[in-house]
Amino acid sequence: NAGVTQTPKFQVLKTGQSMTLQCAQDMNHEYMSWYRQDPGMGLRLIHYSVGAGITDQGEVPNGYNVSRSTTEDFPLRLLSAAPSQTSVYFCASTSGTGKETQYFGPGTRLLVL
Amino acid sequence: AQSVTQLGSHVSVSEGALVLLRCNYSSSVPPYLFWYVQYPNQGLQLLLKYTSAATLVKGINGFEAEFKKSETSFHLTKPSAHMSDAAEYFCAVSEGFKTIFGAGTRLFVKA
Repeated sequence: NAGVTQTPKFQVLKTGQSMTLQCAQDMNHEYMSWYRQDPGMGLRLIHYSVGAGITDQGEVPNGYNVSRSTTEDFPLRLLSAAPSQTSVYFCASTSGTGKETQYFGPGTRLLVL
Repeated sequence: AQSVTQLGSHVSVSEGALVLLRCNYSSSVPPYLFWYVQYPNQGLQLLLKYTSAATLVKGINGFEAEFKKSETSFHLTKPSAHMSDAAEYFCAVSEGFKTIFGAGTRLFVKA
């Protein structure tokens, strides 16, 4: 199993550009999430999905869109990048809620100029 | 609302010394609590978790944590630090679909 994979590993954008961060998992997990990690702030939830076709907002959803057309994939879209979106982005998946372990991808480091 | 507070953004210990990383939480329901570790340029991986069974939870690499409801704490310990323990550690509380993470504590291990 590859687990959770993310692409790209690193990206530089100019303000106003758009891009999609890819996330895929091969563990047949229903639940997937996107987090951003900023120094001193831990991980903050952006969006999450409880199954194909079902998504919801997390703590910091503004400026990001998601969709979930398949169980495996959960892309994160930045429609118009801003310097405040410079961060490290992690995708995670889990088989259930509450006590279940989350499995994280290796992260995407994004720099917005 | 749930929240997690990790006391100390940086902790430095000597190799062989006790490691103690502090975590306090707030939750309106009995919590599920986690400690995750992040090595440089990697994603997070689970160290251990509390799911309302034994209050003393043992994890990987010799780490353990004790759930103390009266103190709303879930501190992480390891009797003897190793150089390979240098990493960032995150405490987290989970309720339903959401997991709330603390700000993290970076552990430095001195030779």
